[in-house]
Amino acid sequence: DAGVIQSPRHEVTEMGQEVTLRCKPISGHNSLFWYRQTMMRGLELLIYFNNNVPIDDSGMPEDRFSAKMPNASFSTLKIQPSEPRDSAVYFCASSFFRGTGRFQGWDTEAFFGQGTRLTVV
Amino acid sequence: GQQVMQIPQYQHVQEGEDFTTYCNSSTTLSNIQWYKQRPGGHPVFLIQLVKSGEVKKQKRLTFQFGEAKKNSSLHITATQTTDVGTYFCAGSSNDYKLSFGAGTTVTVRA
Repeated sequence: DAGVIQSPRHEVTEMGQEVTLRCKPISGHNSLFWYRQTMMRGLELLIYFNNNVPIDDSGMPEDRFSAKMPNASFSTLKIQPSEPRDSAVYFCASSFFRGTGRFQGWDTEAFFGQGTRLTVV
Repeated sequence: GQQVMQIPQYQHVQEGEDFTTYCNSSTTLSNIQWYKQRPGGHPVFLIQLVKSGEVKKQKRLTFQFGEAKKNSSLHITATQTTDVGTYFCAGSSNDYKLSFGAGTTVTVRA
């Protein structure tokens, strides 16, 4: 497996434009995370999907941000309209969650993609 | 909700010295993971701790999970320039969410 694949690696866009970031998780993983990393705020969880369903989107900054996972092998994070303060590195990560109960917890670690460095000018 | 706090935020270390970074959770964790991110790179998994009081070693790195499963530490002995980077802990409390700490960024003086 090639690992978690993100595209594009770099994106420079003008304020007000729509930006779409893409992620292909590792095959067989049932959990997908979108994170944003900046110097000021560190690594922030934006949204978490389990079995393609958004479980926790409390980290999504505002309505300008939206994320989808139409199937187990693809997810997108969209920003519309983009603003300069959205400039950051956006990471996608995938993992396998065994579930709660006796056999609980994370079966594997979170595997991160290389990230998309977004610059909004 | 669950919060994972990490200290210190920055650690400047003389090559050859030891240091420790600490991770504390507001809730009891089912497990804790540690990651390392090199400058310009992405977080990479180091280890997972599951049992209360568990201690694991990876060469010069020693990871510990507290008895109450609410805190963890990473101790690095004889720091080398290859240890430069940001170390994150990430905790889970029997739910789907894996909460990352803010990280400890380590720089090494040769």
